[in-house]
Amino acid sequence: QVTLKESGPALVESTQTLTLTCTFAGFSLMTRGMRVNWIRQPPGKALEWLARIDWDDDKFYSASLKTRLTISKDTSNNQVFLTITDTDPVDTGTYYCARGTTEVTPAFDYWGQGTLVTVSS
Amino acid sequence: QSVLTQPPSVSAAPGQKVTISCSGSSSNIGNNYVFWYQQLPGTAPKLLIYDIHKRPSGIPDRFSGSKSGTSATLGITGLQTGDEADYYCGAWDSSLSAVLFGGGTKLTVL
Repeated sequence: QVTLKESGPALVESTQTLTLTCTFAGFSLMTRGMRVNWIRQPPGKALEWLARIDWDDDKFYSASLKTRLTISKDTSNNQVFLTITDTDPVDTGTYYCARGTTEVTPAFDYWGQGTLVTVSS
Repeated sequence: QSVLTQPPSVSAAPGQKVTISCSGSSSNIGNNYVFWYQQLPGTAPKLLIYDIHKRPSGIPDRFSGSKSGTSATLGITGLQTGDEADYYCGAWDSSLSAVLFGGGTKLTVL
């Protein structure tokens, strides 16, 4: 059974660095074709893709946020991390991690429940 | 402003058919696979369509996807009140090496 769960601080002060963790089960990021993505959604607004890390450690980032994002993985503990530097209130929203595979790519077949992050000014 | 353009809202009566469009460019929809998600209020999105027209296991054939040039379309037949949700298209963009989402379309089943 594939599951993903996001964790991280619920509240961050503006300009601070935000680090989110995605802990997953039911698949391995050491398996060829597996990918984990981060997507966010500001309250009442559209989905925004942020970043992706692949089984072979390839990494891809949103063009508009590239300079502020870092994605990494700990395959032994089935975790993926996303760091966002220099946060701003516009970074407030629900952050999701989601699995991708070569079958459904560039889509994502399993999502976490999401974690709400508020960036205060 | 999203790079993939969707209508903000569509509506139709129960039992009817509705289509939702998604317009992009040659660097995304025109030369890459398109996918569609359904998001019910307060829940994570659910994959409806991938590879332009394929449905994951468990998705009824009332949902269909197609593409023509740099535009894609999601079709839903036999509308049910439970289909009321936000729908998002997405695609890989080869120029940006990134995933793009549309701005979302709110479906109302009257």
